[in-house]
Amino acid sequence: GAVVSQHPSWVICKSGTSVKIECRSLDFQATTMFWYRQFPKQSLMLMATSNEGSKATYEQGVEKDKFLINHASLTLSTLTVTSAHPEDSSFYICSARRLAGPLNEQFFGPGTRLTVL
Amino acid sequence: TQLLEQSPQFLSIQEGENLTVYCNSSSVFSSLQWYRQEPGEGPVLLVTVVTGGEVKKLKRLTFQFGDARKDSSLHITAAQPGDTGLYLCAGVGVWNRDDKIIFGKGTRLHILP
Repeated sequence: GAVVSQHPSWVICKSGTSVKIECRSLDFQATTMFWYRQFPKQSLMLMATSNEGSKATYEQGVEKDKFLINHASLTLSTLTVTSAHPEDSSFYICSARRLAGPLNEQFFGPGTRLTVL
Repeated sequence: TQLLEQSPQFLSIQEGENLTVYCNSSSVFSSLQWYRQEPGEGPVLLVTVVTGGEVKKLKRLTFQFGDARKDSSLHITAAQPGDTGLYLCAGVGVWNRDDKIIFGKGTRLHILP
């Protein structure tokens, strides 16, 4: 149990276009989902915390108008990279916390590789 | 501010050798976790330590949480090529009023056959 999926697993797009990445909890309800970005050979950097039915909380330095997050249901959160540029190319990973789960328990998705040409 | 410092950042050793990776902080954590990440995949949880001084073993991997809950170590005995990967420590701090997990910068381990 506790499986998180991401779609797509990889995407290539042209500069200036928008890309949507989905994060789904397959067998549990997730009140909270997290979005991370990971550049090559670096660690995970938290971008934002997404709570179902409310606005996402963004980390300092992350542009909320550029990285739109929608947590429309207890099993789905989406991250839309708007007007993507080559510097947005990265590995995007989501994680999900179960409803009433412990604070230190997150289940990670397999990641989405975004390449902006 | 990087609250979790990992060392070493890179480590390349021969198969069969032992190694220790460290995760240190000046802050107290309510729990610390260790993850392993393969290229192109999400991190996979190895262990969670909660109690100061706690030691957990996972086959050839031994994890320890410092008595003051500010640091942790991962010791691998007789390393195998399959142990190659990025090892990340992560924790929830006692100061957290929200639910964020803080990640260290990671230790990239390469085991040579």
